[in-house]
Amino acid sequence: GAVVSQHPSRVICKSGTSVKIECRSLDFQATTMFWYRQFPKQSLMLMATSNEGSKATYEQGVEKDKFLINHASLTLSTLTVTSAHPEDSSFYICSARDRVRGMNTEAFFGQGTRLTVV
Amino acid sequence: AQTVTQSQPEMSVQEAETVTLSCTYDTSESDYYLFWYKQPPSRQMILVIRQEAYKQQNATENRFSVNFQKAAKSFSLKISDSQLGDAAMYFCAYRRGSGNTPLVFGKGTRLSVIA
Repeated sequence: GAVVSQHPSRVICKSGTSVKIECRSLDFQATTMFWYRQFPKQSLMLMATSNEGSKATYEQGVEKDKFLINHASLTLSTLTVTSAHPEDSSFYICSARDRVRGMNTEAFFGQGTRLTVV
Repeated sequence: AQTVTQSQPEMSVQEAETVTLSCTYDTSESDYYLFWYKQPPSRQMILVIRQEAYKQQNATENRFSVNFQKAAKSFSLKISDSQLGDAAMYFCAYRRGSGNTPLVFGKGTRLSVIA
């Protein structure tokens, strides 16, 4: 089946630094990728929709200058948490749908990234 | 806006028994999809089962089946012959059918399986 690879799986960074998370579709093309955030023992909340070759669409309340999304190719989207603070510590998950197989297929999820800001 | 409600934060089931997880949703759309995802301790999201709203027949996948009541906007998951490996968080999710739209998740139900 289709695979979405997300790296790193865990990262610890110092407050004030930036962290980049990569999301790759390994065997399919994804025009659109989705970035979710999951706090401990809570559900997944959509942060933004990443569109290849265009600007990302952010959900209300998500700071676009803090969470920079780049979707430079059909197989790679990146999320950069800029000037990270402890409250940004969370689990970040990406998902993508197969462009060729169409919109009726399920989304495939990356393994997630646990970010800890100290 | 679409919402998904899971009213059972936690459930438990004896091994080999059957358990049903509840989910209701709210939408004004006629074209949509419903999903159940499993999230084990590894945090990897695993698709358990999906249902297209236009299909009247309830989806089944081996030991997993759903009871889709479109008029009531209810989408429950039944796990038969529960196994220890079924222990996980289960999320009900909704997706609008038109376009490449994201999933809307419920808050989840933590399922424990008792040996």
